[in-house]
Amino acid sequence: EADIYQTPRYLVIGTGKKITLECSQTMGHDKMYWYQQDPGMELHLIHYSYGVNSTEKGDLSSESTVSRIRTEHFPLTLESARPSHTSQYLCASSESAVSYEQYFGPGTRLTVT
Amino acid sequence: AQSVTQPDIHITVSEGASLELRCNYSYGATPYLFWYVQSPGQGLQLLLKYFSGDTLVQGIKGFEAEFKRSQSSFNLRKPSVHWSDAAEYFCAVGAGYTGGFKTIFGAGTRLFVKA
Repeated sequence: EADIYQTPRYLVIGTGKKITLECSQTMGHDKMYWYQQDPGMELHLIHYSYGVNSTEKGDLSSESTVSRIRTEHFPLTLESARPSHTSQYLCASSESAVSYEQYFGPGTRLTVT
Repeated sequence: AQSVTQPDIHITVSEGASLELRCNYSYGATPYLFWYVQSPGQGLQLLLKYFSGDTLVQGIKGFEAEFKRSQSSFNLRKPSVHWSDAAEYFCAVGAGYTGGFKTIFGAGTRLFVKA
């Protein structure tokens, strides 16, 4: 069983607020990812990291930012939330590029009012 | 460009009936192929994966998938569906490119199971 955690699971917040979505994994994986998922749509990669102090933007443009100061921790921050940010955010990690298999957290469902 | 197509947005099957979920991919070389399942309110869980070798792959929960290179397909099957299989299923392809790799997910197929 994968050990990857996301908090909060659900968040309702007003426009303009700053929020941080937490993601932690205890598997020692170097690679971590953030996906955005809307109902009936494929997962879109918005950020990824290949290790500490390494972060890259994904295929889908996002106003969020990420940091990777510790291997196990990969938080995502929105400086000023907007209704267009309403979505589900999934965090994942993987052991190596060769295996490609990703382990997912339970997700954070964000609603911006 | 790499892509994954799941033609069926949703499928309804009776409990005990067989199941096949379709997946087609576009990629120039032999891809790494995956099926994930997502239950309501949960993250994705890996069902099975194909890297090389035997084109019929066995996974967890009684699922299997067959890689057909000539058809660029990786369809998921289960001989007898249980009510607990109701979930969303995602096909994915992992592909290398200059500078790294990426995993591309299909839009998903939602499975409904009727008693």
